Amino acid sequence: AQSVTQLDSQVPVFEEAPVELRCNYSSSVSVYLFWYVQYPNQGLQLLLKYLSGSTLVKGINGFEAEFNKSQTSFHLRKPSVHISDTAEYFCACVTGTASKLTFGTGTRLQVTL
Amino acid sequence: DTGVSQDPRHKITKRGQNVTFRCDPISEHNRLYWYRQTLGQGPEFLTYFQNEAQLEKSRLLSDRFSAERPKGSFSTLEIQRTEQGDSAMYLCASSKDRGVTETQYFGPGTRLLVL
Repeated sequence: AQSVTQLDSQVPVFEEAPVELRCNYSSSVSVYLFWYVQYPNQGLQLLLKYLSGSTLVKGINGFEAEFNKSQTSFHLRKPSVHISDTAEYFCACVTGTASKLTFGTGTRLQVTL
Repeated sequence: DTGVSQDPRHKITKRGQNVTFRCDPISEHNRLYWYRQTLGQGPEFLTYFQNEAQLEKSRLLSDRFSAERPKGSFSTLEIQRTEQGDSAMYLCASSKDRGVTETQYFGPGTRLLVL
């Protein structure tokens, strides 16, 4: 079954420091990858998505992710985080002809002063 | 776009009662999805509509669960004879009908607590 794995359940980081949230995928077919963010008591918001083409994808709020086929990874990065980036981040995939998203277990990004 | 809306935002019920949630998608979005998110987990797919047709259902959707989307607009998710294990956040999402890679836009969710 197609799936994504988020290796870190929590990532603490100081404000203005860089951050990387890790995501690995497993699939034997074409894969489309997404990062969503969930702020407390809110729904999910799309940060960015990889469909094809350039492996470096830029998203909203200064986030970017790099698709690496050889390592089956799609890690999310931001060069300098803010307090307001504190949230839960989910990696997800849509594979083959399915329309549903399959989510990872999430990574809690905690930004402190 | 006014966004996806869900009602109610919170629901507390006693075990054995029936509950119904409503989702209003972004206008002109043909696709509508329901997901369930339990504490500490990512959302899990429940079911999916294209217009009024329910095209796919997860094995998570037991026979106590039923979803409808009459006239291809809003959708309802009903849970009959609720169990404590049904306590979760129920998320609705909608998208345009332009292939599997179309962005899904999520509502704020309905948090259900079954006592």
